[in-house]
Order: sequence, then structure tokens, then C-alpha cells
Amino acid sequence: AQKVTQAQTEISVVEKEDVTLDCVYETRDTTYYLFWYKQPPSGELVFLIRRNSFDEQNEISGRYSWNFQKSTSSFNFTITASQVVDSAVYFCALSGFTGTASKLTFGTGTRLQVTL
Amino acid sequence: GAGVSQSPRYKVAKRGQDVALRCDPISGHVSLFWYQQALGQGPEFLTYFQNEAQLDKSGLPSDRFFAERPEGSVSTLKIQRTQQEDSAVYLCASSLSMGTQYFGPGTRLLVL
Repeated sequence: AQKVTQAQTEISVVEKEDVTLDCVYETRDTTYYLFWYKQPPSGELVFLIRRNSFDEQNEISGRYSWNFQKSTSSFNFTITASQVVDSAVYFCALSGFTGTASKLTFGTGTRLQVTL
Repeated sequence: GAGVSQSPRYKVAKRGQDVALRCDPISGHVSLFWYQQALGQGPEFLTYFQNEAQLDKSGLPSDRFFAERPEGSVSTLKIQRTQQEDSAVYLCASSLSMGTQYFGPGTRLLVL
């Protein structure tokens, strides 16, 4: 069985602070994908990133960066210089590669509140 | 290009009513997924289609839930004899065969 744990239920920061959202996962699969999605107040899940289990290279996209460590089964997400528009619920998710295994297993989400 | 669309966006049903929720996936996406998201929780898998074939329905909570995708494009999730515990947001996602899932805006169902 697959499991994703996001231990931080809610985080509040002041604009321009850096913030890291934690994600720990469990799977017996040797090949899998990891994802982050953003859910703003409008409710739609917005795709942010997908990484496969073969590639542990960290990734940076603008103010966003991701740290994938297989040794600790973690896939953490950092927002640098946070902005009010970053306020949302962020979900980490896990899936297999193909077919029915590609269904997503989500964590319970971390609500990020960025204030002025 | 158009994303995934869902209708209705909001649905209020009386307990015992049947409801039908529609999903229009991104054109060309062969895979289609339905998820249920309870308040304050992450989405949970309901069912998966590859083209018109329903390959996994292990997440459907009861036999009151039924999904179809007869022509491999539009999908409908039907809930019969709705109960209060069915109140949730129902999310549809589509993807290419091995691709990232892109989500629609969801249908918020409230059963009174």
C-alpha cells in the first residue's frame, strides 16, 4: 500500500519569508512518481511538479524548489520569498507508472497562509 | 487549449435523490480518473478509465456509485439514493497514457 504523510497541517508566514513544506512517502514500488499540487481557494488542483524515482536531482523553478531524497523517502517543497498569492493548500502525491497504478495517493495537505 | 471541465459546479440534492456529475477531459487524453475530496482532506481515488474501459473501480465507496465513459471521452459519475456522507467535492482528472494528471474545477455536492 502507498502512503503520503504531510505532517504540517497549517503554516503561517509573513511575506518574503522562505517556507518549506514537508512530504514523506511510503511505497513498495521501485518505480514511482512524486507530485506537488496547489489548491487555491477557488478549489481547482493546479499541477506544480512531477519527479520520477530514478531522478533525485533537485529542481528549481523560479521561487519554487524541490528536494527529493530517496534515502529518507522525502520530497520537500520550498518557496523562497513567499508572496500572498502563494496562500493555498499544497498536496504531495505519489503514483505508480502505468495503468491503474497511475492513480494518485495524496497526503492530507498543508495549508499555507502568507500575510503582509 | 481547453482544460478539464466539470458540470455542474455545485449541486444540492435531497437525501435519496440520484445525481449525475459530468466530466469533459482534455482532448486526446486516454486516461480519466475520478476522486472524492472530503472537507479538509486530500482527494481519494474512486475509479479509473483507459479510453472506454473502466480498469479500476476499487475506490467506489458503495454500489450506489457508478461511473461510465461510453465513447472514451466524456465521463459521468452517478450516485444513486444520495446520503449525507456523499457530500464532498468530486474531482475529475485526465492524462495521456503515462502522463501527469490535470484536474478539473470539481463539483461540490451537498446532500441535505
